[in-house]
Amino acid sequence: DQQVKQNSPSLSVQEGRISILNCDYTNSMFDYFLWYKKYPAEGPTFLISISSIKDKNEDGRFTVFLNKSAKHLSLHIVPSQPGDSAVYFCAASTPGGTSYGKLTFGQGTILTVHP
Amino acid sequence: SQTIHQWPATLVQPVGSPLSLECTVEGTSNPNLYWYRQAAGRGLQLLFYSVGIGQISSEVPQNLSASRPQDRQFILSSKKLLLSDSGFYLCAWSVWQSLATNEKLFFGSGTQLSVL
Repeated sequence: DQQVKQNSPSLSVQEGRISILNCDYTNSMFDYFLWYKKYPAEGPTFLISISSIKDKNEDGRFTVFLNKSAKHLSLHIVPSQPGDSAVYFCAASTPGGTSYGKLTFGQGTILTVHP
Repeated sequence: SQTIHQWPATLVQPVGSPLSLECTVEGTSNPNLYWYRQAAGRGLQLLFYSVGIGQISSEVPQNLSASRPQDRQFILSSKKLLLSDSGFYLCAWSVWQSLATNEKLFFGSGTQLSVL
């Protein structure tokens, strides 16, 4: 049972434009959401997170939006740069799971930013 | 600074053969340690986590086992591999009871295991 889903396996964007990566979840107990970025031959690295008490969190070019009623979150990258080309994973955790790194991940979306 | 080492990067094993993947962390003490796996078309799934030497919790029933013989060493094993064990295996560590533990989940570079 896939509790966190990233339905778009890949996304291609022109440099300078906005990249929007989407993620849906089914478990209403999730209270913390994260995005990780992964380059080839490297492990995922933390990018940005959001608590369920917020609907938006911004960090430089990266903004995460959370729509709890729709059980949907999205990652916006503006402006997109070729160095942003990577696999992006959405992840979620439930209360009590937070302190143990017990995250539920999506399948990942491959973002390609063309010069 | 902290670093995590995971090897090998790729591994091809026949069905029924044993498996041993090793992960070591440097630069921190008493970390939480994790094994995650990504099967084809699926998200990263937590397999095991450990909060101390000899303490292993399994998240999903499976053909694999984990051990933590030393504070910063985490080993994933199998006595007989199945085709379904193929996937991308990631070791990770985090700071014990950090308020921002989620942000502090650090991953190794992963092992791509193909069972044929």
